[in-house]
Amino acid sequence: GAVVSQHPSWVICKSGTSVKIECRSLDFQATTMFWYRQFPKQSLMLMATSNEGSKATYEQGVEKDKFLINHASLTLSTLTVTSAHPEDSSFYICSARVDDIGQGGWGNQPQHFGDGTRLSIL
Amino acid sequence: ILNVEQSPQSLHVQEGDSTNFTCSFPSSNFYALHWYRWETAKSPEALFVMTLNGDEKKKGRISATLNTKEGYSYLYIKGSQPEDSATYLCASTAYSGNTPLVFGKGTRLSVIA
Repeated sequence: GAVVSQHPSWVICKSGTSVKIECRSLDFQATTMFWYRQFPKQSLMLMATSNEGSKATYEQGVEKDKFLINHASLTLSTLTVTSAHPEDSSFYICSARVDDIGQGGWGNQPQHFGDGTRLSIL
Repeated sequence: ILNVEQSPQSLHVQEGDSTNFTCSFPSSNFYALHWYRWETAKSPEALFVMTLNGDEKKKGRISATLNTKEGYSYLYIKGSQPEDSATYLCASTAYSGNTPLVFGKGTRLSVIA
């Protein structure tokens, strides 16, 4: 259980193109999803927290107009990299926790990840 | 902002060897420590979530310990197998809410048959 599907897994496109990445929770509801980015030899860095039915919360230094996030339902969040440029080339990965956590806090619940999307902008 | 450090960055061991890696995190404002295994071309898989000082968890040949007072966790693999080859990530959170994790850079383990 608790499977997250992310696609596409790999994108190569020209500079100036907008790219949409989808993150779906297949067998659970996720009011909140997280988008991370990883540059080579670096850690997964949080870009934004996506909230169903409300605006995403962006981390400092992440341009909200550049990285559009839409969390339209309890099982789908999308990240659109608008007018992508070579410096946006990176590995993007989403994660979510199961909404129904029962007892205990969220913090001790594992996150479930998609397979990630490798984005290459030429 | 939490700063999570992992060492070593990479590790090569022979099949059958036991090994361990370290994760250090700020001991103040700590709530939980997570370990994930990330195999190539797959998604990170949760191994352990620990919250209490002195916690020790085990899953087959893999175990982890937690010291929240000094801010470190060890991950142990007993009798390494080639299928254990992966990047092992640790992540910390200071909150009990549905908030994101702060990740280390990972330890890349290669087990040589």
